[in-house]
Amino acid sequence: GAVVSQHPSRVICKSGTSVKIECRSLDFQATTMFWYRQFPKQSLMLMATSNEGSKATYEQGVEKDKFLINHASLTLSTLTVTSAHPEDSSFYICSARGTYGYTFGSGTRLTVV
Amino acid sequence: DAKTTQPNSMESNEEEPVHLPCNHSTISGTDYIHWYRQLPSQGPEYVIHGLTSNVNNRMASLAIAEDRKSSTLILHRATLRDAAVYYCILLNSGNTPLVFGKGTRLSVIA
Repeated sequence: GAVVSQHPSRVICKSGTSVKIECRSLDFQATTMFWYRQFPKQSLMLMATSNEGSKATYEQGVEKDKFLINHASLTLSTLTVTSAHPEDSSFYICSARGTYGYTFGSGTRLTVV
Repeated sequence: DAKTTQPNSMESNEEEPVHLPCNHSTISGTDYIHWYRQLPSQGPEYVIHGLTSNVNNRMASLAIAEDRKSSTLILHRATLRDAAVYYCILLNSGNTPLVFGKGTRLSVIA
């Protein structure tokens, strides 16, 4: 149990366009989900906390207008990278609290060209 | 959150036990010790967690020092598929996010 599905697994987009990443809890309800970003050879960095039915909470230094988070249901949170630039290229990972600990999505590798 | 200290990297031979240490000298009485690992190009996965007593599950064992200022993740027989970055994380309350340090990169040699 406690599976988190993340889609797409990889995406390439042109600079200036927007990309949406979906994170679904498949067999449990998640009132809170977390979004992380990971650059090559580095650890995961928490970007924001996504709360169902309310505004997301962003970590210091993360632009809320650039990284739009929507948590419209108990099983779906989305992260939209708006006006993407090459420096936004990274590995994005979502997470939710399951029964025995936190469950993570398989990640989305975003490449902005 | 209390900080943890782990070696940057470790190496093990296949089929041998691996002991991954973690120091957390500022741990509070209500901090749980969590271990996660991240295989290449994947999201992290839960390994094990504990509070005071040693814990065993199908993946690993967790040995916690009596003063709780350190712990050791034990992989009983390392396989090539255990090559990953292992993170030791302290977690206090129910739904706060995991905060990742640099972890230990484990290499397994055939």
